[in-house]
Amino acid sequence: AQKVTQAQTEISVVEKEDVTLDCVYETRDTTYYLFWYKQPPSGELVFLIRRNSFDEQNEISGRYSWNFQKSTSSFNFTITASQVVDSAVYFCALTSGGQFYFGTGTSLTVIP
Amino acid sequence: DAGVIQSPRHEVTEMGQEVTLRCKPISGHDYLFWYRQTMMRGLELLIYFNNNVPIDDSGMPEDRFSAKMPNASFSTLKIQPSEPRDSAVYFCASRRDRSGTTFFGPGTRLLVL
Repeated sequence: AQKVTQAQTEISVVEKEDVTLDCVYETRDTTYYLFWYKQPPSGELVFLIRRNSFDEQNEISGRYSWNFQKSTSSFNFTITASQVVDSAVYFCALTSGGQFYFGTGTSLTVIP
Repeated sequence: DAGVIQSPRHEVTEMGQEVTLRCKPISGHDYLFWYRQTMMRGLELLIYFNNNVPIDDSGMPEDRFSAKMPNASFSTLKIQPSEPRDSAVYFCASRRDRSGTTFFGPGTRLLVL
């Protein structure tokens, strides 16, 4: 069965600290896609990154970086030098077999 | 390219009234999804379409909910009659193909009094 687990429900950090959001997934498919979305307090769901199962290269985009490890079925998201504007709920998601599965989200609060 | 468009953005109605939510997916996207988000239940998939055909409606709560996609550029989600427990944010999303990225609309905030 396909599943996405975000064990961290809420995280609080002080501004400028680094923070890592964990995501563990389950799928029996060999081809699948992983995503991260951000939902700021305004409510929209913003796409951040997409990764396919054949590409395990880590990715960095500014202060954001993603660590994809098939061996542990994890796709973790790190924010470096966090800022107040990073406060949001972050969702990890999986597309497998044409279906789209969301994790339950991690609420990140960055304290100034 | 315009994103997923939803209307209305906010809806306040009284219990028992019919509510119709509208969605225009991104042009060229073959998949369309309707989600509901509440504090208690998080994000729930209600139904999704592929090439205008409903594929999985197992998430539709009950017969009061119905969804249609008459063409590739328009979908509706109807609640009749509405109840207070239907109050939530309803998101429409679309995706180009089986492996594409899913993009979400801004959501419709529904409040049923």
